[in-house]
Amino acid sequence: DIQMTQSPSSLSATVGDRVTITCQASQDISNYLNWYQQKPGKAPKLLIHDASNLETGVPSRFSGSGSGTDFSFTISSLQPEDIATYYCQQYDRLPFTFGPGTKVDIK
Amino acid sequence: EVRLLESGGGLVQPGGSLRLSCAASGFTFSSYAMTWVRQAPGKGLEWVSSSSGESTYYADSVKGRFTISRDNSKNTLYLQMNSLRADDTALYFCAQDRVSGTYVVWGQGTLVTVSS
Repeated sequence: DIQMTQSPSSLSATVGDRVTITCQASQDISNYLNWYQQKPGKAPKLLIHDASNLETGVPSRFSGSGSGTDFSFTISSLQPEDIATYYCQQYDRLPFTFGPGTKVDIK
Repeated sequence: EVRLLESGGGLVQPGGSLRLSCAASGFTFSSYAMTWVRQAPGKGLEWVSSSSGESTYYADSVKGRFTISRDNSKNTLYLQMNSLRADDTALYFCAQDRVSGTYVVWGQGTLVTVSS
């Protein structure tokens, strides 16, 4: 199975800050990587697909980059409504594994 | 409106069985692969099983115990769960696969608790 790691596991930032989360795959997954946002008590929401493509309707402050084994996810200007846990997920091969998540809150 | 609505969760004893359902609306159900993802309390997301055309796929942790199926005439996805264990306790989400492994539409989840 492809293992996904994320860093950091949690972070606190100020409104307006630039926030970056990294995700690493245990083997080359090309660009078969998604980013999801999950707010407490809610289902996950797809933000970024194919490593860098913003899902329709998602604010442009969210972005993703990377390929192969190393990926990053950025919130260019953190907003209060961005408080959530963020997961990367590979879909290069089954089982489609998720990273352990990064919890983002406001300082 | 595209919608998924899970049901069938509950409290079950170890070794017991449950069948989850996911009712779909607002899209052509038969045209999409469908997936179950679970989340143990306070934990991350775990892919469980997918149904794509005539093919089915399972996580090793549930293989041989869970069966995914679908009734396209009823726009409903199922997950038959047998030989349940405490570590199957989780919120179970169904999700629509836009393309294999990319989940755009999710239900609200149904909670399965395995405990004596």
